[in-house]
Amino acid sequence: QMQLVQSGPEVKKPGTSVKVSCKASGFTFTSSAMQWVRQARGQRLEWIGWIVVGSGNTNYAQKFQERVTITRDMSTSTAYMELSSLRSEDTAVYYCAAGASIAVARYWGQGTLVTVSS
Amino acid sequence: NFMLTQPHSVSESPGKTVTISCTGSSGSIASNYVQWYQQRPGSAPTTVIYEDNQRPSGVPDRFSGSIDSSSNSASLTISGLKTEDEADYYCQSYDSSNSWVFGGGTKLTVL
Repeated sequence: QMQLVQSGPEVKKPGTSVKVSCKASGFTFTSSAMQWVRQARGQRLEWIGWIVVGSGNTNYAQKFQERVTITRDMSTSTAYMELSSLRSEDTAVYYCAAGASIAVARYWGQGTLVTVSS
Repeated sequence: NFMLTQPHSVSESPGKTVTISCTGSSGSIASNYVQWYQQRPGSAPTTVIYEDNQRPSGVPDRFSGSIDSSSNSASLTISGLKTEDEADYYCQSYDSSNSWVFGGGTKLTVL
């Protein structure tokens, strides 16, 4: 069964960083693309970026270009999203999603709540 | 910037058919695949349509997707509505730099 399991909730201070993990199982991780998407409470889905797992190529939304890094560890079938210089507006649920190409997400993680508060 | 526009909300009765539109701001929406995601309250999104009109296994055939080039729009049609279909629905595509774009979401009420 295809599954993406994300790390647990985080509470961070403004100005610090957070790293969220997403462990894949049930499909060929190395042949996939992983997306990261976030959703603030009551708001729409917002795309953060993607990584092509096999090549390591990444693409980030312009809004996050300076603050986000998406990586992967093929030995553990895990993708990571690190967001730095956190501010209160970054409080949201962060989702990973996987597909066979950068165009499509077939499977979604359960989400990770990141709260930024002083 | 490429944008996708959806109606804020739609409502329909159980057993009926509803169609949710997703209109592209520029270019041809048919040039890149469109996906549709269902998000029930308090839950993660799930994929109900990918690559314009493909249904993942486990998604009932009551869900269908289409593209209308003349109106530069994509549509999600749900027939035989059930109360469990009540959710937010998001369309998604990508622009010329392969950056994803989401529509604003449509709240479907089944009453």
